[in-house]
Amino acid sequence: NAGVTQTPKFQVLKTGQSMTLQCAQDMNHNSMYWYRQDPGMGLRLIYYSASEGTTDKGEVPNGYNVSRLNKREFSLRLESAAPSQTSVYFCASSEALGLGSETQYFGPGTRLLVL
Amino acid sequence: GENVEQHPSTLSVQEGDSAVIKCTYSDSASNYFPWYKQELGKGPQLIIDIRSNVGEKKDQRIAVTLNKTAKHFSLHITETQPEDSAVYFCAAQQTGANNLFFGTGTRLTVIP
Repeated sequence: NAGVTQTPKFQVLKTGQSMTLQCAQDMNHNSMYWYRQDPGMGLRLIYYSASEGTTDKGEVPNGYNVSRLNKREFSLRLESAAPSQTSVYFCASSEALGLGSETQYFGPGTRLLVL
Repeated sequence: GENVEQHPSTLSVQEGDSAVIKCTYSDSASNYFPWYKQELGKGPQLIIDIRSNVGEKKDQRIAVTLNKTAKHFSLHITETQPEDSAVYFCAAQQTGANNLFFGTGTRLTVIP
């Protein structure tokens, strides 16, 4: 049981390049999330997927797109990377959004540097 | 939306002493309050959580208290050990809502 896995671990991009961050969970969770973490700040929600087939914007969605490929996988895409997107990206999952099921489990993160 | 404030931003304690981290929240509808520990280069890991129907929860050396009236909650670590050194985040969420709102983190250093 690996929990939440993310690839790649590190990535360097040039401004304007695109890339996709991959996330998978093996806990049979319904809900999945993408966060970014910047120095001196807590984690901020980019997008989430409450269940397979649905996605919604979080607090900071501009410049990102997501795909819930199936119940296990949730990807985050940067179409045209900008230096402001330099950050550490975390994927998380939870059983559901309801009472008693909302605990989120996080992956190890992807460190992204945009030059 | 919810605003979570966390203090202090850094905390150093001697091994064996206690550490206390405090958080306040703004949205009275929030009813789920987890605490996460993040070690260097790793993702946050849940260490304890509390729901608004209880005032205190304890798990070995870790305890969390919640004051709904004042809208603040605290993490207490007793008998600290060097392996407790990490960044700790508090968070708040309303059940059924999508967003977990995080504090800005506390870097705890336990000095051997």
